[in-house]
Amino acid sequence: DTGVSQNPRHKITKRGQNVTFRCDPISEHNRLYWYRQTLGQGPEFLTYFQNEAQLEKSRLLSDRFSAERPKGSFSTLEIQRTEQGDSAMYLCASSLSGYNQPQHFGDGTRLSIL
Amino acid sequence: AQSVTQLDSHVSVSEGTPVLLRCNYSSSYSPSLFWYVQHPNKGLQLLLKYTSAATLVKGINGFEAEFKKSETSFHLTKPSAHMSDAAEYFCVVSDRDFGNEKLTFGTGTRLTIIP
Repeated sequence: DTGVSQNPRHKITKRGQNVTFRCDPISEHNRLYWYRQTLGQGPEFLTYFQNEAQLEKSRLLSDRFSAERPKGSFSTLEIQRTEQGDSAMYLCASSLSGYNQPQHFGDGTRLSIL
Repeated sequence: AQSVTQLDSHVSVSEGTPVLLRCNYSSSYSPSLFWYVQHPNKGLQLLLKYTSAATLVKGINGFEAEFKKSETSFHLTKPSAHMSDAAEYFCVVSDRDFGNEKLTFGTGTRLTIIP
């Protein structure tokens, strides 16, 4: 069990640029989740996948955000035309499906918009 | 809708004394409840989970929590604080009847340990 891996750990970009983050879940986990955490707050749910299917998206996920999990393994989260308000920690988690399966989190990608 | 309220944003205790972090929840259905810990610039680590099997739940690092339905509470305790316990703690709820896909986090309690 190598844990959930997220890359990059930190991303600094100018406003208006596009950014993409990657998440590699625990290998046997078929569910993958994205959360956003702003300073001093708890994480907020963005979206989740079961295998390659995106099953739920939060209203927080505006049209500038897109997430994919093309082969049911790793996932990417892209933000287009970044804004100051996008500055946050983006967390990925994975789990097995079924009741009472805990989510295991990666260390996150911290995004800073200049 | 489900929600959690962490009653203290910051708790300070002396090393070796008990820890109490308070959490109240609201859920329309049968809840699953979790406590996660987050050390600076790190992801979240699961401390313990409640899923209806037993009201007193034991977790890692000596932490435990008691589910009290009548009080809608799920407080986290530890008999003796250690310096390494200094971190942010999150109480989390999900609706078990609808699966545990969507976790709802509290705003967190920062625990400081005084040497």
